[in-house]
Amino acid sequence: AQSVTQLDSQVPVFEEAPVELRCNYSSSVSVYLFWYVQYPNQGLQLLLKYLSGSTLVESINGFEAEFNKSQTSFHLRKPSVHISDTAEYFCAVSEAAGGFKTIFGAGTRLFVKA
Amino acid sequence: NAGVTQTPKFQVLKTGQSMTLQCAQDMNHNSMYWYRQDPGMGLRLIYYSASEGTTDKGEVPNGYNVSRLNKREFSLRLESAAPSQTSVYFCAGGLAGPYEQYFGPGTRLTVT
Repeated sequence: AQSVTQLDSQVPVFEEAPVELRCNYSSSVSVYLFWYVQYPNQGLQLLLKYLSGSTLVESINGFEAEFNKSQTSFHLRKPSVHISDTAEYFCAVSEAAGGFKTIFGAGTRLFVKA
Repeated sequence: NAGVTQTPKFQVLKTGQSMTLQCAQDMNHNSMYWYRQDPGMGLRLIYYSASEGTTDKGEVPNGYNVSRLNKREFSLRLESAAPSQTSVYFCAGGLAGPYEQYFGPGTRLTVT
């Protein structure tokens, strides 16, 4: 069975500082990996995804995540955060071979301070 | 193109009452999903529909039923609401298989 662990429930950081949100997963098969972002009182939005190919994937707003198969991790990073990045971030994993179930982590609340 | 829409946005029920949460998508997705979101627990899958005409249980199906009315619509029914069903409910649509999903804005349900 798959599982996802987000190692930090809350991450406070000052504006323009770098940030890393950590995600580890457990699976016995090949996986697809996702990061979703949820702004207050909204649904989740896809931030970025890893399906295959390059292990470093990027979003349009400056976030990036690296798939590390040996460490079963998919950490999310941004070199310089903005106030508008304040949100909850969810790591998610699904089996690459098929199936329809995606497992979500418990979420990390990123709070960017001025 | 509205994406995924959900109604209602908010609902308060008394224990034992029933209600149906509605979800519709205009993205031509084959698969649709119902999740509940509780603090510190992420999203948990209640039911999903891989394609029109099929539905399957997810991680937490007890107390819920679903109907895939057509390709666009996927409803979630609580037959006899309980306080443990107080949660935020999200509907999502996606391509068939293990790919990304597109979420609605959610329904905040309180059962007293």
